[in-house]
Amino acid sequence: GDSVTQMEGPVTLSEEAFLTINCTYTATGYPSLFWYVQYPGEGLQLLLKATKADDKGSNKGFEATYRKETTSFHLEKGSVQVSDSAVYFCARKETSGSRLTFGEGTQLTVNP
Amino acid sequence: KAGVTQTPRYLIKTRGQQVTLSCSPISGHRSVSWYQQTPGQGLQFLFEYFSETQRNKGNFPGRFSGRQFSNSRSEMNVSTLELGDSALYLCASSRSEDRVYEQYFGPGTRLTVT
Repeated sequence: GDSVTQMEGPVTLSEEAFLTINCTYTATGYPSLFWYVQYPGEGLQLLLKATKADDKGSNKGFEATYRKETTSFHLEKGSVQVSDSAVYFCARKETSGSRLTFGEGTQLTVNP
Repeated sequence: KAGVTQTPRYLIKTRGQQVTLSCSPISGHRSVSWYQQTPGQGLQFLFEYFSETQRNKGNFPGRFSGRQFSNSRSEMNVSTLELGDSALYLCASSRSEDRVYEQYFGPGTRLTVT
């Protein structure tokens, strides 16, 4: 079935380091792809999205490009901050319906 | 614009009881979806509603049910609670079912079953 796979965590970085969180999806249909972030004790916040191949989503310094040839949607940020510490989820949404399929989530900790 | 609201935020119930959770979507959003989040299973889709009709249902037992009202507000019900139902229940709303529209999540209801 349709699935999303994220890199295993947790990930620990120093402030101002470069971040990459890998995400791959099964190549069925024409999904939209999303990254969500969850801070402790809160719900999910939409970080960015891409709805078709080669689209680049960006927000708050984070970027991800919809790569159909590698079925990937890796999240990147050039310089992380302590405030970026959270759990990040990659998700796909199918052509019809609102259902999201999530990856396992990646815990990011940024140390000062 | 107000975000998605969920009530109550925290709930403690006893095994065998039933519970009803409520979700108010963002104004103008007609699609509402529910997810269960647990440390072991991650985020799992429960069901989605659009214009008061259930469009899709996840792989959960019949004890889990939901409905949507004409004002797009939604409720989910869990009957005969089990310890394994302890989880964070998240509601999300979207303008429509079209895949280009993102979903916005509420803060969740933390359910603890003892």
